[in-house]
Amino acid sequence: AQKVTQAQTEISVVEKEDVTLDCVYETRDTTYYLFWYKQPPSGELVFLIRRNSFDEQNEISGRYSWNFQKSTSSFNFTITASQVVDSAVYFCALSEAVGYYGGSQGNLIFGKGTKLSVKP
Amino acid sequence: DADVTQTPRNRITKTGKRIMLECSQTKGHDRMYWYRQDPGLGLRLIYYSFDVKDINKGEISDGYSVSRQAQAKFSLSLESAIPNQTALYFCATSDLTAGQETQYFGPGTRLLVL
Repeated sequence: AQKVTQAQTEISVVEKEDVTLDCVYETRDTTYYLFWYKQPPSGELVFLIRRNSFDEQNEISGRYSWNFQKSTSSFNFTITASQVVDSAVYFCALSEAVGYYGGSQGNLIFGKGTKLSVKP
Repeated sequence: DADVTQTPRNRITKTGKRIMLECSQTKGHDRMYWYRQDPGLGLRLIYYSFDVKDINKGEISDGYSVSRQAQAKFSLSLESAIPNQTALYFCATSDLTAGQETQYFGPGTRLLVL
């Protein structure tokens, strides 16, 4: 069965601190996709990153970085030098691949989210 | 203009009423989805459609129906609303490029059923 676990329900940090949001997933597929989405207080869902299971290279985008480790089924998200604007709920999600071309099944399985509060 | 729009953005209705939530997209994507978000539960899939003639049930389809009127439009209906359908509803779109897909979400519709 597919499952995404975000064990941290809420995290509070002071501005400029680094913070890591944990994501652990379960899947029986060998090909799958992992995502992070941000939901700011305004409510919309903003796509941050997609990672394919066959690409374990870590990624950095500005103050954001992602650490994908298949050995531990984890896809953790780190914000360096956090800012108040980073305050949001962050969701990790999983999609399995189906079909001849291994395309995404289309069904995103979401974790329950981690609420990050960054205080000035 | 937003690529994925949802109307209405907020709605209050009464138990037993029929209500329709609409989603439109200008991204030209074939795939569209409806999710609901409840506090502390993340998002759960209600229905999805891979093209105009394809409709599939998601994890929690009971009490809901959908209509894919065109590639760009995907509506969600609550035939007889009940209070536990109070939630934040999201529409999403995606396409499959080189076997890889990313879903992009609309701004959400907050629904309160009294």
